[in-house]
Amino acid sequence: AQKVTQAQTEISVVEKEDVTLDCVYETRDTTYYLFWYKQPPSGELVFLIRRNSFDEQNEISGRYSWNFQKSTSSFNFTITASQVVDSAVYFCALPGAGSYQLTFGKGTKLSVIP
Amino acid sequence: DTGVSQDPRHKITKRGQNVTFRCDPISEHNRLYWYRQTLGQGPEFLTYFQNEAQLEKSRLLSDRFSAERPKGSFSTLEIQRTEQGDSAMYLCASSLGVQPNYGYTFGSGTRLTVV
Repeated sequence: AQKVTQAQTEISVVEKEDVTLDCVYETRDTTYYLFWYKQPPSGELVFLIRRNSFDEQNEISGRYSWNFQKSTSSFNFTITASQVVDSAVYFCALPGAGSYQLTFGKGTKLSVIP
Repeated sequence: DTGVSQDPRHKITKRGQNVTFRCDPISEHNRLYWYRQTLGQGPEFLTYFQNEAQLEKSRLLSDRFSAERPKGSFSTLEIQRTEQGDSAMYLCASSLGVQPNYGYTFGSGTRLTVV
């Protein structure tokens, strides 16, 4: 069965600091995808990134970057120069067999203090 | 296209009452999903529709829960004889095809409080 662990329950940083959110996963699939979602206080889950297991290249999108390491089953997310608008709960997720079900971690609540 | 809409946004009900939630997916999306999210947890899969057919139900979906998607458009999730443990955020998502090739779009959810 798929499993996603986000060990950090809550993180607080001061604005402009960098912050890394950890995600460790378990899967028996040889090929798979991983996702990060953001959930602001409004409740909607906002898609951030999808990565496939073939591609271990780090990805950067503006202030966001992702470090995927298959050898350690980790898919960490870094926000550079954090802003107050980054305050949200962030979820890492992994599709299950059949790919229509997402298994989510418990989420990391990020608070960015001005 | 206004995204995935859910109604109501909040619902407070007394234990034992029935409640119904509605989800309007993105119009061209043929797949629709319901998830439940309790406080401090990630969303958990409940059920999935392809067009009007309900193809998968989680063990979390007890016999008090029923979901429909008539005509393959909007969907409703009904909870009968609500219990306090049903208090949660109920999230709907839709997609054009199967993950991971097609991303989900989530709605803002319906927050249910059972008192």
